[in-house]
This record gives sequence, C-alpha cells and structure tokens, in this order.
Amino acid sequence: AQSVTQLGSHVSVSEGALVLLRCNYSSSVPPYLFWYVQYPNQGLQLLLKYTSAATLVKGINGFEAEFKKSETSFHLTKPSAHMSDAAEYFCAASSNDYKLSFGAGTTVTVRA
Amino acid sequence: DTGVSQDPRHKITKRGQNVTFRCDPISEHNRLYWYRQTLGQGPEFLTYFQNEAQLEKSRLLSDRFSAERPKGSFSTLEIQRTEQGDSAMYLCASSKGGSLAGELFFGEGSRLTVL
Repeated sequence: AQSVTQLGSHVSVSEGALVLLRCNYSSSVPPYLFWYVQYPNQGLQLLLKYTSAATLVKGINGFEAEFKKSETSFHLTKPSAHMSDAAEYFCAASSNDYKLSFGAGTTVTVRA
Repeated sequence: DTGVSQDPRHKITKRGQNVTFRCDPISEHNRLYWYRQTLGQGPEFLTYFQNEAQLEKSRLLSDRFSAERPKGSFSTLEIQRTEQGDSAMYLCASSKGGSLAGELFFGEGSRLTVL
C-alpha cells in the first residue's frame, strides 16, 4: 500500500513569495502521484499529476511539481503566491487504477 | 452544474440513529468512489464501484456501513447505528473508466456529526 507524508501541516507565505509544499511517498515502485487543492467549502480539485512521463509536471494556476525518484519526493511549488492560493493542499499516490492514498494535507495562508 | 453532487451537505444525528448519504456522479462517469475525511487528515478510501458492481471495500467500512449503486448511476452510503467516531466528512468522487488513477472529480462532501 502507498503511504504519503506531507511535511508541515501549515505554511504561511507573503504574497509574491515562493510557495513550496513538500510531499514524500513510500513505495518500491514509483506510483502515480497527484496534488489536489481544496478551497473553503469546495470539493477537492486536481492540480496536477505525475504518470511516469516528464518528471517536471505543470499544473493549473501556475503550480508545478517535480518527481525525484532518488528522494521519493514530489514537492509542489509556485514561484509567486497570490491571495487566491490560500487553501488546503493534498498530495496523493496510487499504484493501481482506482485507489488513492492521501497525505494529511498542508494549509496555505497568504499574507498581504 | 454538471459536477458531482452530494446530499445532504450536513447531517446532525444522535448516536444509534441511521443515516444515508446520496451521491450523483458526473453523468458519463462509470466509476464512483466514497472517501472519508476526518479533521486534520487527508481523505481515506472507503469503497469503489464500477457501474453497479462494488469492486473493493476498505477495512474502514465496518458492517454498519453499506454502499449501493443500484443502476450504475447515483450511489447511497448508509451508516446504521451511528457512533460518535463516525463523525466525519464523507466524500464522493467519480471518474471515467480507463482513466488513470487519481483523475477523480470530487463532490463537496456530506458532513456528519454524531451527538
């Protein structure tokens, strides 16, 4: 079974600063990897996914993530934070075609 | 709105009562999933349907829980004899068959509070 660890339950950044959210997975076989975002009172929305093609994956809203097999990591970044990025972010992994294992989530707050 | 819809959005019940949640997936999606999310945790997989067939159930789904998808369209999740530990957000998601794992479309969830 996949296991996903997100380092840091809360991240606070200034508007315009770099956003970095950390995610590590445990698996002997590189899984499919995902980042989801949950805005207040909304459902989870897919930001981006890694499916063994390019290791640098670009998603919506200026986010990107890099798959590093040697570090079993899939960290999410955005060069310049916007107030609208305030949300909860979940990293997830799957080794089959139907079941996701989610991390505990990281809440991002953006300071003006 | 053609997204995944869940009903009710909020349910408060007393311990020992039965509750039922409904999920209407995106119409062309033949896969439907139920997840549970408790405070401070990520969603946890409960069960999964392909069309009307329930193909996997998590060990989290005790015998007090039952999920159905009778005609391969909407699904219901029933919890019998609720316990305080059942308090959580119950999330429904759907996807197209054959799509890569994780391309799930989630509803806004049904929040259950058991008093």
